[in-house]
Amino acid sequence: DQQVKQNSPSLSVQEGRISILNCDYTNSMFDYFLWYKKYPAEGPTFLISISSIKDKNEDGRFTVFLNKSAKHLSLHIVPSQPGDSAVYFCAARVSGAGSYQLTFGKGTKLSVIP
Amino acid sequence: DAGVIQSPRHEVTEMGQEVTLRCKPISGHNSLFWYRQTMMRGLELLIYFNNNVPIDDSGMPEDRFSAKMPNASFSTLKIQPSEPRDSAVYFCASSLSGINSPLHFGNGTRLTVT
Repeated sequence: DQQVKQNSPSLSVQEGRISILNCDYTNSMFDYFLWYKKYPAEGPTFLISISSIKDKNEDGRFTVFLNKSAKHLSLHIVPSQPGDSAVYFCAARVSGAGSYQLTFGKGTKLSVIP
Repeated sequence: DAGVIQSPRHEVTEMGQEVTLRCKPISGHNSLFWYRQTMMRGLELLIYFNNNVPIDDSGMPEDRFSAKMPNASFSTLKIQPSEPRDSAVYFCASSLSGINSPLHFGNGTRLTVT
């Protein structure tokens, strides 16, 4: 039972345009969400996070939106750059006891075309 | 900041052999995690240590897997005996133990068991 789903295995976007990566979750107890970026032969690196008390968090070109009623979050990258080409993982956590436990989606491979 | 250091980067071994993966967490981080990444299951948490003590090993697939953290700067994941289905990328990650502290991943060990 996959609690965090990234339904698009891959996405191609032209340089300079907006990239939108989507993530759906099923566990209503999740209240903290993170995005990680992974380049080949490297480990995932933390990109941006959002708490369930917010519906938007922005950091430079990266913005994460959370829609709790739909159990959906998205990562927007604008403008997209070739260096953004990577696999993006959505992750979610239940705060409180056992708050270390991150549940990851299977990732979306983003290709930004120059 | 050297980041999380894992060794070896690649390991190829024959079925039945013992495999030991090594991890040096970021200095000052008191939480350490071992993850396994496969195409089928994505990123799965194997075991979590806090202050060198194993807190949750429910993700360890079988008794063939064991992990130790003898001190704050070193951890090992051992598979004995190894099997072809253990082939995967194994990541070590560390973090501060704050409730929303992001994980910092190493570059992983790609294990191939023939």
